[in-house]
Amino acid sequence: NAGVMQNPRHLVRRRGQEARLRCSPMKGHSHVYWYRQLPEEGLKFMVYLQKENIIDESGMPKERFSAEFPKEGPSILRIQQVVRGDSAAYFCASSPPHLSTDTQYFGPGTRLTVL
Amino acid sequence: AQSVTQPDIHITVSEGASLELRCNYSYGATPYLFWYVQSPGQGLQLLLKYFSGDTLVQGIKGFEAEFKRSQSSFNLRKPSVHWSDAAEYFCAVNTNAGKSTFGDGTTLTVKP
Repeated sequence: NAGVMQNPRHLVRRRGQEARLRCSPMKGHSHVYWYRQLPEEGLKFMVYLQKENIIDESGMPKERFSAEFPKEGPSILRIQQVVRGDSAAYFCASSPPHLSTDTQYFGPGTRLTVL
Repeated sequence: AQSVTQPDIHITVSEGASLELRCNYSYGATPYLFWYVQSPGQGLQLLLKYFSGDTLVQGIKGFEAEFKRSQSSFNLRKPSVHWSDAAEYFCAVNTNAGKSTFGDGTTLTVKP
């Protein structure tokens, strides 16, 4: 059973470009969470999604950031018009469908660098 | 809103010595508590978790943690540290809302 997969592992963008980060949850998991880790800091919650639904986006910046988890395919975190402050590691986690309190399994992360 | 505090930003111990990493949480109801370890450039690996029951929880790699409700703490311990334990450690609390709240982490350095 493959773990949570994220791609790309490293992404370099210039200011103003778009960044698309992908997350494939573990098989059988229907809950996906995105977290951002700035250098020297802990992980900060961004958004919690279930298939085709955003459950909690209280941690998402109001502008330029969006997330989706379609019926088919991976979850996508999209950052439009990136700025240097968006440089961070973005982690995706997934959990089984029954309990939102259950263990979250983390992917290896995507490290975004904005030049 | 829940919060997690890891009072120690950086801890250095000698190889073979015992280790305790502190974690305090703030949450109104019964928390679901986790400890994760992160090596440089890597993702998070779950060490152990507490949901209910026995307040002393055993995890992987010889780690254990004790939930103390009266102190709102969930400290991580290991009796004898190995050089390979050098990493960053995160405590987290999860609620019935799904999202996890993390502490800022404790960086562990192991001296030979």
